[in-house]
Amino acid sequence: AQKITQTQPGMFVQEKEAVTLDCTYDTSDPSYGLFWYKQPSSGEMIFLIYQGSYDQQNATEGRYSLNFQKARKSANLVISASQLGDSAMYFCAMREGNAGGTSYGKLTFGQGTILTVHP
Amino acid sequence: NAGVTQTPKFQVLKTGQSMTLQCAQDMNHEYMSWYRQDPGMGLRLIHYSVGAGITDQGEVPNGYNVSRSTTEDFPLRLLSAAPSQTSVYFCASSYGTLNTGELFFGEGSRLTVL
Repeated sequence: AQKITQTQPGMFVQEKEAVTLDCTYDTSDPSYGLFWYKQPSSGEMIFLIYQGSYDQQNATEGRYSLNFQKARKSANLVISASQLGDSAMYFCAMREGNAGGTSYGKLTFGQGTILTVHP
Repeated sequence: NAGVTQTPKFQVLKTGQSMTLQCAQDMNHEYMSWYRQDPGMGLRLIHYSVGAGITDQGEVPNGYNVSRSTTEDFPLRLLSAAPSQTSVYFCASSYGTLNTGELFFGEGSRLTVL
């Protein structure tokens, strides 16, 4: 079974509107972390936001927020007030295990969602 | 601040040739890893290291070798290149403790095997 599933191959949003990118995950490990990365057309991987499995509140970083629904195993990325520069590929990823463990630095990635922001 | 440095950025090989992708990080990270990115498949883990002298296989290790003789360097070797290894390769590093486990990525290396 896929550990990370991103069901939206492509999304379109109007500039200044909000958009939600979906991510569901599958793990039996009680300790895990969820990440979102942005990959613009230039190719680099840019870290956006992190949510730990024990975090009580949803993570926020500027215009990015993570809608974490633990029981549903979903970790959707919400981008508020979209900008043209937000057009990129977005990846959801998961880290399983605790700090110091052998799986700690390994992330499993979803297939990605291409976001296009229209003016 | 250099971060994670990969070389070369572009490479074209013929089937059967060998080559090494270099990766170096200057952040004293314990963990280093290699991923490949193919269209529609996200990033997949090739090999992984939790420290100097320790490596482990990831999801797609066949056709690749790694070694980690120092904390800073983690080269990826293609033993006999095949067209199926045409891909974009990313090296990444992270802290092993007291952190989220966030990966810091290099800029990527685009490899074409003819």
